[in-house]
Amino acid sequence: QVQLVESGGGVVQPGRSLRLSCAASGFTFSRFTLHWVRQAPGKGLEWVAGILYDGSKKYYADTVQGRFTISRDNSRNTLDLQMNSLTAGDTAVYFCTRDLEKYDTSGHYFGLWGQGALVTVSS
Amino acid sequence: EIVLTQSPATLSVSPGERAVLSCRASQSVRTYLAWYRQKPGQSPMLLIYDASSRATGIPARFSGSGSGTDFTLTINDLEPEDFAVYYCQHRYIPITFGQGTRLEIK
Repeated sequence: QVQLVESGGGVVQPGRSLRLSCAASGFTFSRFTLHWVRQAPGKGLEWVAGILYDGSKKYYADTVQGRFTISRDNSRNTLDLQMNSLTAGDTAVYFCTRDLEKYDTSGHYFGLWGQGALVTVSS
Repeated sequence: EIVLTQSPATLSVSPGERAVLSCRASQSVRTYLAWYRQKPGQSPMLLIYDASSRATGIPARFSGSGSGTDFTLTINDLEPEDFAVYYCQHRYIPITFGQGTRLEIK
């Protein structure tokens, strides 16, 4: 079954760190660029970060640049998001997503989504 | 950063009727635009990419059109599952989404 399953969400205090993970199955993980997209409660979608299929390039939204780090392990079929210096504005459901097309380096549509992991930043 | 503006914010349509949703880009994205549907409590799902190509398994009552800065998603013969929130998205980094259109039952 083709799927993405996020884990690691929870409640964290402002200024602290949290690490999200995404486990992939049912497809050749190493052929696809992956991303994190978040959605604050009752709000729209916001792209957070992306990493190319081979891990050679990483991209970040300005809102998380310097605080979040995206990484992947193609041997274990996992995607991670290390989130540091969290603020209330980072409270959201974080979705792990996969590119629609294999080996796509220039443009990205999200053809597969996980169910999401809720991160709540609160004291 | 390309800003995508969707209209209207909320659209009220009766089941079986047609819904027309709009997305306007702050600069040309050529035809590199996608549409997603998000049902309550669920993850978004890709409907249309490259402005007019239906994703795998998406029924023909969903159609997309447009190029440059103005795009439209048309949904014919609305079914109960179609009453949801719809987002447009352009494909280049930094990737951005429109703010969404809520399609509700009239």
